[in-house]
Amino acid sequence: EAQVTQNPRYLITVTGKKLTVTCSQNMNHEYMSWYRQDPGLGLRQIYYSMNVEVTDKGDVPEGYKVSRKEKRNFPLILESPSPNQTSLYFCASSLYGTQENEQFFGPGTRLTVL
Amino acid sequence: GNSVTQMEGPVTLSEEAFLTINCTYTATGYPSLFWYVQYPGEGLQLLLKATKADDKGSNKGFEATYRKETTSFHLEKGSVQVSDSAVYFCALGLHTGTASKLTFGTGTRLQVTL
Repeated sequence: EAQVTQNPRYLITVTGKKLTVTCSQNMNHEYMSWYRQDPGLGLRQIYYSMNVEVTDKGDVPEGYKVSRKEKRNFPLILESPSPNQTSLYFCASSLYGTQENEQFFGPGTRLTVL
Repeated sequence: GNSVTQMEGPVTLSEEAFLTINCTYTATGYPSLFWYVQYPGEGLQLLLKATKADDKGSNKGFEATYRKETTSFHLEKGSVQVSDSAVYFCALGLHTGTASKLTFGTGTRLQVTL
């Protein structure tokens, strides 16, 4: 089944403890992206990747890192999480990074930073 | 910059009622327009899209027409069902710089009751 998977689905952590949220897609998509969803703000892009080894900042990149060493994986790294990073995170992918392409979303990771 | 404005929810309707969710956009260029739907506890999934002016996107009884003159992409359905209860996001996709970017509205929650 074609899908985007994320792990973990739920995570509660403490301020400053490094964490990684994994994202993997099995559709051979070139483009991948991370979003955070907050009430009243919709989805905001954190980082995106046009292809392997190519990443760039989105609208809200502060406090986050990403890497794209393989086409299928695009982990999101929080080196020193803070409470303002408590949010619902979505990974997404599309065949190419063109404006008409549909993006496929993972099920989300709900992160709480205490 | 680019932005999407959609009507605030929640929208509460009885089953078989007519649905309209308004969406207007501001963009520097000629965007593609999307409606994504998010069912409880799930990620977003594409509902419909339109890639140029006067195109009509349709799916599962929902439809929306890309109106360049009014910069709008209103979502409509003639007869809603309880299973349509979800959050609906209007989004625009536009190629800027090195990649295309999806800009989302804040989402409209729809609740359909028997």
